Amino acid sequence: KAGVTQTPRYLIKTRGQQVTLSCSPISGHRSVSWYQQTPGQGLQFLFEYFSETQRNKGNFPGRFSGRQFSNSRSEMNVSTLELGDSALYLCASSLALSGVSEKLFFGSGTQLSVL
Amino acid sequence: DQQVKQNSPSLSVQEGRISILNCDYTNSMFDYFLWYKKYPAEGPTFLISISSIKDKNEDGRFTVFLNKSAKHLSLHIVPSQPGDSAVYFCAASAGAQKLVFGQGTRLTINP
Repeated sequence: KAGVTQTPRYLIKTRGQQVTLSCSPISGHRSVSWYQQTPGQGLQFLFEYFSETQRNKGNFPGRFSGRQFSNSRSEMNVSTLELGDSALYLCASSLALSGVSEKLFFGSGTQLSVL
Repeated sequence: DQQVKQNSPSLSVQEGRISILNCDYTNSMFDYFLWYKKYPAEGPTFLISISSIKDKNEDGRFTVFLNKSAKHLSLHIVPSQPGDSAVYFCAASAGAQKLVFGQGTRLTINP
């Protein structure tokens, strides 16, 4: 079974631009979560999508948005990029069994550099 | 508000010895705890988990201990091997809520 696939692997953008990252979850997984990793900050939760609806949201500004499609694939968009947005963006999927705590399966991430 | 904390940014251990990574949490509603391992330029991979109804879970060289009264979690790796050198993240969740991660501990295994 294929794992979580994220594209692109690397991106270089300049301040003020916008960027879209893509994530394909493991087949059969219905939930997709996005995390930002920066040095010393661990993994900061951005948002989670389930059945095309945002189910949870972290403490990030409105410049960060996402969506999920009917096939569970997800995209994340960052508008008006700032230097501080440089980070590794990780997508993770899970089965999303009702009311049950479960582990996440992560993709390799998209390394975004903002110049 | 850092609900999950890993207070040691780095740890160096000799090959063959025991590695002990620690994690503290503040949210008493957390009922599921996990450890992830991360190599550079890769996503985190699941290592081991424990439910709040247990205080210990073993998987080969890896053992996770949970002390609910102290709100403390630890991962023991024995014996440590060079391939264990990576960043380790602990994570916790309450019910079906999002996983909350610690800042990570970089483990280096020296030959």
